[in-house]
Amino acid sequence: EESLVESGGDLVQPGGSLRLSCAASGFTFSGFWMHWVRQSPEKGLEWVSRINYNGSVTTYADSVKGRFAISRDNAKNTLYLQMSSLRADDTAVYYCTRDRSAPFDLWGQGTKVTVSS
Amino acid sequence: EIVLTQSPVTLSVSPGDRATLSCRASQNVRSSLAWYQQKPGQPPRLLIYGIITRAIGVPARFSGSGSGTEFTLTISSLQSEDFAVYYCLQYNNMPPWTFGPGTKVDLK
Repeated sequence: EESLVESGGDLVQPGGSLRLSCAASGFTFSGFWMHWVRQSPEKGLEWVSRINYNGSVTTYADSVKGRFAISRDNAKNTLYLQMSSLRADDTAVYYCTRDRSAPFDLWGQGTKVTVSS
Repeated sequence: EIVLTQSPVTLSVSPGDRATLSCRASQNVRSSLAWYQQKPGQPPRLLIYGIITRAIGVPARFSGSGSGTEFTLTISSLQSEDFAVYYCLQYNNMPPWTFGPGTKVDLK
């Protein structure tokens, strides 16, 4: 069965850092572009970042550019999101999702990030 | 950035009713429009992509239509498991990929 499982969410102080992970199984991870999407009551669903098959191409939303870094390890079937200089408005549930012929056709259950002092 | 608006905000329906949800884009998104269903505590689930193509396992009572900037998701005969929030997504002009604010379908 195809699945994505996120981890790493936590309560962190403003200005802090956090690394999220997303473990993929049941499909050929290296065959998909991967994305992070976040959801908060204030902003709804918001696309955060994208990475291509081998990690050579990355793209970011303006709201996280320069603060977040997406990466992947195809040998470990794992996607990452390194988040730094966190702000209160980064508080959200973070989902990983995949993209190929159909957009965002598989999602993880999400991991919650709370930025608060 | 393409902005998506959805209407209505809430749609109150009874089981067996036909439900029609709308999504409007601020610019032409061609055929790059998808619909997602989200239930409480769950991630979004892809229902429709390319305006009209149902994702694997999606019942035939869900259908998509539209073109350019105006799109519709229709649930032909609402079942109890269809009460949820529905989002549209445009993936024509990206980054960024943008979602609509959602339509909540609840019990009348």
